Amino acid sequence: NAGVTQTPKFQVLKTGQSMTLQCAQDMNHEYMSWYRQDPGMGLRLIHYSVGAGITDQGEVPNGYNVSRSTTEDFPLRLLSAAPSQTSVYFCASSLERGYDEQFFGPGTRLTVL
Amino acid sequence: AQSVTQLGSHVSVSEGALVLLRCNYSSSVPPYLFWYVQYPNQGLQLLLKYTSAATLVKGINGFEAEFKKSETSFHLTKPSAHMSDAAEYFCAVSDQREYGNKLVFGAGTILRVKS
Repeated sequence: NAGVTQTPKFQVLKTGQSMTLQCAQDMNHEYMSWYRQDPGMGLRLIHYSVGAGITDQGEVPNGYNVSRSTTEDFPLRLLSAAPSQTSVYFCASSLERGYDEQFFGPGTRLTVL
Repeated sequence: AQSVTQLGSHVSVSEGALVLLRCNYSSSVPPYLFWYVQYPNQGLQLLLKYTSAATLVKGINGFEAEFKKSETSFHLTKPSAHMSDAAEYFCAVSDQREYGNKLVFGAGTILRVKS
């Protein structure tokens, strides 16, 4: 049972480039989400999904795109990277109820030059 | 909208001393409340959660937290700090009325344990 996995661990992009951060879970969780972590700001929700084919925006969705074609995978796409998107990105999964524990991946550290 | 305030971005204690990390929330109805811990270069893991059962919640590694509705607080405590407790701690809330599991996090408190 691998839990939540994320690739890559580190990435450096130039302004304007696009890329996809991968996230996968093997716990059959319906709920998946993406957060970004910035110093002094905690974690902020980017996008989330309550099941395959269903996604919605979180607190800071601008510049990011998601899709959910399977229960296991929830990729995050940066359409045109900007320096403001330099951050650590975490994917999480859980059962869909508000009191369920969220399981976090190890994170992707992204730098945009 | 819900919000979470963690008082003190850095807390320093001596090994064996009491740990107290403060969390206050803002919500029109009592939310679900969580404490997560993040060790360096790792993801977050759950310490404990409040889901409207007992107001005193016990978690892993000797931590506990008490939900106080009148004070809108959910402070995290541990009677005796250990060097291995050094990490960043996040308080988070989710709305009981919403479908799904969207968390709103506080800014985090970095705990330093001195020998």
